[in-house]
Amino acid sequence: DSGVTQTPKHLITATGQRVTLRCSPRSGDLSVYWYQQSLDQGLQFLIQYYNGEERAKGNILERFSAQQFPDLHSELNLSSLELGDSALYFCASSASGSDSGELFFGEGSRLTVL
Amino acid sequence: GIQVEQSPPDLILQEGANSTLRCNFSDSVNNLQWFHQNPWGQLINLFYIPSGTKQNGRLSATTVATERYSLLYISSSQTTDSGVYFCAVQGGKLIFGQGTELSVKP
Repeated sequence: DSGVTQTPKHLITATGQRVTLRCSPRSGDLSVYWYQQSLDQGLQFLIQYYNGEERAKGNILERFSAQQFPDLHSELNLSSLELGDSALYFCASSASGSDSGELFFGEGSRLTVL
Repeated sequence: GIQVEQSPPDLILQEGANSTLRCNFSDSVNNLQWFHQNPWGQLINLFYIPSGTKQNGRLSATTVATERYSLLYISSSQTTDSGVYFCAVQGGKLIFGQGTELSVKP
């Protein structure tokens, strides 16, 4: 158990819909990262938050947004869903906001868009 | 950006065999981690190893940062070692290689 909690574990929805994925980091960790794992793209970095502020942005679509709340949990919002958004979405946390901290991953949220 | 290449892409072993997985990266990094993704999709931390050598049971890893590569050794492999092994490096964000898919046969 990494200490990072993600909900829901599985989600099935239809094209055009909107979903919210939730992540609670390990106790004391200030950084939260979101990753997408799809069959054709591998593990892709989406976005990082550190202590409530956006720290780095990767290949995140404009239809996607995220935030980190004062209690440090984070949510990833996916809207106008397309079939290609079906993937495993991981949240990770680390104590550091810098390049050198060790990341710990949650079990992922598997999204299926029909 | 930093490129991460893992080899081999696929590996089939008989139970009890040893193996070496390689990770090459194109630039200096402040962080390197090895993960095991099990058949259920979970990403499990194996090593945090920006440099040097570490051992954990049957697994060990060595990173030679000056030469920009890392090696993961698996000894006396077991069927539970099956899955995908990822190397990931951080120079701003954690960048994953494409992974080595390992299958250990009984």
